This record gives sequence, structure tokens and C-alpha cells, in this order.
Amino acid sequence: EPEVTQTPSHQVTQMGQEVILRCVPISNHLYFYWYRQILGQKVEFLVSFYNNEISEKSEIFDDQFSVERPDGSNFTLKIRSTKLEDSAMYFCASSVRRSSSYNSPLHFGNGTRLTVT
Amino acid sequence: AQKVTQAQTEISVVEKEDVTLDCVYETRDTTYYLFWYKQPPSGELVFLIRRNSFDEQNEISGRYSWNFQKSTSSFNFTITASQVVDSAVYFCALSGHDYKLSFGAGTTVTVRA
Repeated sequence: EPEVTQTPSHQVTQMGQEVILRCVPISNHLYFYWYRQILGQKVEFLVSFYNNEISEKSEIFDDQFSVERPDGSNFTLKIRSTKLEDSAMYFCASSVRRSSSYNSPLHFGNGTRLTVT
Repeated sequence: AQKVTQAQTEISVVEKEDVTLDCVYETRDTTYYLFWYKQPPSGELVFLIRRNSFDEQNEISGRYSWNFQKSTSSFNFTITASQVVDSAVYFCALSGHDYKLSFGAGTTVTVRA
């Protein structure tokens, strides 16, 4: 079964450094998402992306964050200057359609654990 | 605004006991979708079920069952005859027509042998 792939599984970076989290969505999917989970807390929506532009973003997704689909397969989340509070698990997800329907499930990747020191 | 409340922070049971996880939601949408995810210690999110607001039929899948009560805005999840492998954090989530999911805070289930 096709799956969403995220790399790396764990990334450690120093405060103030730029970090890029990579995701390869399922190949025929058109909608892409990033979610974040601070350790021990709930999963939070960050941003949705379609047709090479952001569809919606949360208040968490400030100017330090950006997303890009640089080629036909990758979907990246960049944090420009990391802060300690950016330490979290970041989940990428993708779907065929925008809406939650039975023939268009949302597929999550296994996550990238980002540790900012 | 959408909101999901999982009032139980932690539940501990002995193997073979049943465990019910509560989920209460708030939404102004007339069409919405409810989800349950399992997050084992390894950290990934495992999809368990999706239910749309027009389908109040309860569902059973093996040892898992779900009780959707629109009148009380609840979507509870029961694990029957729990096993050690069921130990995980379980999240209830809600979305409208898109996949902007609002998650609850999660319930940590510990099943002791």
C-alpha cells in the first residue's frame, strides 16, 4: 500500500538554524498538509497546500515557516530560524481530494521528530 | 470554531478488561467528520475510523467499537478485552469538509498484563 514518507525520522538542530523537513506524499495525491505535535500535547494543524499554494494556515504558521513543493514528488516544511519551542513531532499528510470522503482518506507519514537545542 | 474534548487524560486497565474512551465535540458545521487515531509509543498516527455526521450507525471492527451520538455530540470508542498491544495514546479528531483536523488532547491507555 502506498504511503507518505518523511525524512529524516529525527533531526537535531541548534537554535537559530534553518531546518527543512522533507515529505514524499503519495504520488497521485493533490492536497498536502503539515501538522505538529509538541511532546505530550495534541496534534495541531499547521498548513494545507494545493496547486502550489497555501490553502489555509493556522496562527502557529507564522513568517518563520514556509512550505514548498520543489518538484513533482517532494513537499517540504522550512523553519527559517528555529526556536526551542519548535521542538516537536512534525507530521506530513496527503489526500487525493480536499474533502474528507470515504474514497479519499487522509494519509499521515510517520513523522519527523525535531529537537532544537 | 471546532473543538474536541477528551476528558480522560489516562486510563489504566488490566488485560482483558474493556475500556471506553470518551470524546465530545463542538462544531457549527452541519456536515462534519469524526476520526479516531492511535499513537503507539513509536509515535506514528494510526488511523482507526472515520465517521460522517449523517451516519449515526455504530460500528464494530474486531475488538473495537464506536458509539456516535449526535444528540450529545459524542463519539466514544470502546476496546473490548484489551491487550497489552492496545497501550497507546488515542486521539479523537473532527473536521469539516476539508482535512483541517482538530484533535483532542488524547487519552493515554495503559494495559497491564
